[in-house]
Amino acid sequence: SYELTQPPSVSVSPGQTATITCSGDKLGNKYACWYQQKPGQSPVLVIFQDTKRPSGVPERFSGSNSGNTATLTISGTQAMDEADYYCQAWDRSTGVFGGGTKLTVL
Amino acid sequence: QVQLQESGPGLVKPSETLSLTCTVSGGFISSYYWSWIRQPPGKGLEWIGYIYYNGSTNYNPSLRSRVTISIDTSKNQFYLKLSSVTAADTAVYYCARDLRCSSTICDDNWFDPWGPGTLVTVSS
Repeated sequence: SYELTQPPSVSVSPGQTATITCSGDKLGNKYACWYQQKPGQSPVLVIFQDTKRPSGVPERFSGSNSGNTATLTISGTQAMDEADYYCQAWDRSTGVFGGGTKLTVL
Repeated sequence: QVQLQESGPGLVKPSETLSLTCTVSGGFISSYYWSWIRQPPGKGLEWIGYIYYNGSTNYNPSLRSRVTISIDTSKNQFYLKLSSVTAADTAVYYCARDLRCSSTICDDNWFDPWGPGTLVTVSS
């Protein structure tokens, strides 16, 4: 079965750029999306089809996908961005999630 | 805008069947795909399966033998049944709209929006 691998944790200082990666075999040949989940809340879509931002998601969130790695970038990270982030892709009629990355803003 | 709400028993006994309902409001259930996703406490997300408004389904191979998803468009609801549950099925269960792109140039999906989730505990 297809697997997506994320680093368990990423730390960033306020105002700096946070980068969260998601790795999978030939992931660049698929579309990836990203969800933000704050404690006690349901996930919220922040990026779909590699680079697209849903309405209402701040411009500081951006995405890319090439080779075996999809990347979520948060520019000018704010304290409110502290959360778990999950990547997701569709492979052979199955939805697949990465294990999640805890973003700490300190 | 579309909102989803899960409902059902919060406690299920081992070997019994977990049954949940997702009610869609603020929009019609027709013309979309709808998915169930779960998250064990402190762990990551797992896609369970989807249903199209016409009743066609697709399930995660790891759960296929135990899962049934159905839909009632007249009630704007869809349902999850998971049989022969064990403690490993304890999780927060989410329903979500499953937006898909299926063509010669795309084969992907994303979930938006999600319901608030409901915790189901499997215990005697």
